[in-house]
Amino acid sequence: AQSVTQPDIHITVSEGASLELRCNYSYGATPYLFWYVQSPGQGLQLLLKYFSGDTLVQGIKGFEAEFKRSQSSFNLRKPSVHWSDAAEYFCAVGHPNTNAGKSTFGDGTTLTVKP
Amino acid sequence: KAGVTQTPRYLIKTRGQQVTLSCSPISGHRSVSWYQQTPGQGLQFLFEYFSETQRNKGNFPGRFSGRQFSNSRSEMNVSTLELGDSALYLCASSPGTGGQDTQYFGPGTRLTVL
Repeated sequence: AQSVTQPDIHITVSEGASLELRCNYSYGATPYLFWYVQSPGQGLQLLLKYFSGDTLVQGIKGFEAEFKRSQSSFNLRKPSVHWSDAAEYFCAVGHPNTNAGKSTFGDGTTLTVKP
Repeated sequence: KAGVTQTPRYLIKTRGQQVTLSCSPISGHRSVSWYQQTPGQGLQFLFEYFSETQRNKGNFPGRFSGRQFSNSRSEMNVSTLELGDSALYLCASSPGTGGQDTQYFGPGTRLTVL
């Protein structure tokens, strides 16, 4: 069965600093990979997704993620964090032959941004 | 396009009661998935409905059920509520064509069981 691990429960960065959120997955083949963001009191919003092709994926709000098969990782990055990026971030993995609704989510990483 | 809407946004019930939550997907989307989000268990998949049929099911007891109507709106029902059912219930809609679909989430219904 597929699984997702987000090793960092909570990360604090200063505004303007770079950010990297880690995500490791367990799956026998190349899965579909997603990053979502959840602001307080809101649902989840998709930041970016990877299915195949170029392993560096660009998303919304200046985020990018890199798929590394050898490390089973799909880390999320942003070169310069803004205060509005403070939120909870979820990595998710889906099976290529499974419908989108059956993705498995990590436990999330809460990002705090210091002024 | 209007986003995914969920009603009600907040709900307080007592143990033993039942509750029905509603989700209206984005127009044209045929798949609706439900998730339970709690601090201890994170986001857990409940079930997915596509064209009025349950297509996938997570590992939840039979007290959790759902249905989908011909207009793709979906409801989920929890019977005999337990304290542990307190959670944020999220629904997500997608076109339903496959694993590459982007899921669009609603704001959730916050259920508190006393």
